[in-house]
Amino acid sequence: DGGITQSPKYLFRKEGQNVTLSCEQNLNHDAMYWYRQDPGQGLRLIYYSQIVNDFQKGDIAEGYSVSREKKESFPLTVTSAQKNPTAFYLCASSPRLNTEAFFGQGTRLTVV
Amino acid sequence: DQQVKQNSPSLSVQEGRISILNCDYTNSMFDYFLWYKKYPAEGPTFLISISSIKDKNEDGRFTVFLNKSAKHLSLHIVPSQPGDSAVYFCAASRGSSNTGKLIFGQGTTLQVKP
Repeated sequence: DGGITQSPKYLFRKEGQNVTLSCEQNLNHDAMYWYRQDPGQGLRLIYYSQIVNDFQKGDIAEGYSVSREKKESFPLTVTSAQKNPTAFYLCASSPRLNTEAFFGQGTRLTVV
Repeated sequence: DQQVKQNSPSLSVQEGRISILNCDYTNSMFDYFLWYKKYPAEGPTFLISISSIKDKNEDGRFTVFLNKSAKHLSLHIVPSQPGDSAVYFCAASRGSSNTGKLIFGQGTTLQVKP
């Protein structure tokens, strides 16, 4: 089945540790995105990528890093510099920028 | 600076009646608008979209209306069903640009009572 897979669904980490969230898509989409959802704040864009080996900062990129070495994969690293990392993280992809995005099931990260 | 706003955090309607979810935006450069539906602990699913060249788009029970002069869009669900109970997000972008930003509102939680 075609789709977007995020793993793991739940992730716990100690404060000060870096953690990488996985996102894979087999939809042959060029564009991929990472969003963060906090209660009452909707979805906020962290990073996006239009094409392999290219990515751009979104509205809240501080404390995060990404890579796009393959078309299918867009991993997100939450670094120790991110002040409030506990959140629900959503990965999405679209055929190209600014068309309807398809979302994965999300990863809930809890930092203790 | 909230460019896309959903001012009603929640809405409750009776099964079979109409649900109207509202969304306002401030950036006049937005030309492509979308509605997503989200269940708890899941990713949003795309519902319906509208381009700024239209003022209405319909898909089954879902209709989106766009009022460009008021910078306002709404999603109508008729008739509402209990399975429609979810959080609804509107989103906007400059579809003709290369910025890659799909801006989301805060969401409205819809409860449809049997």
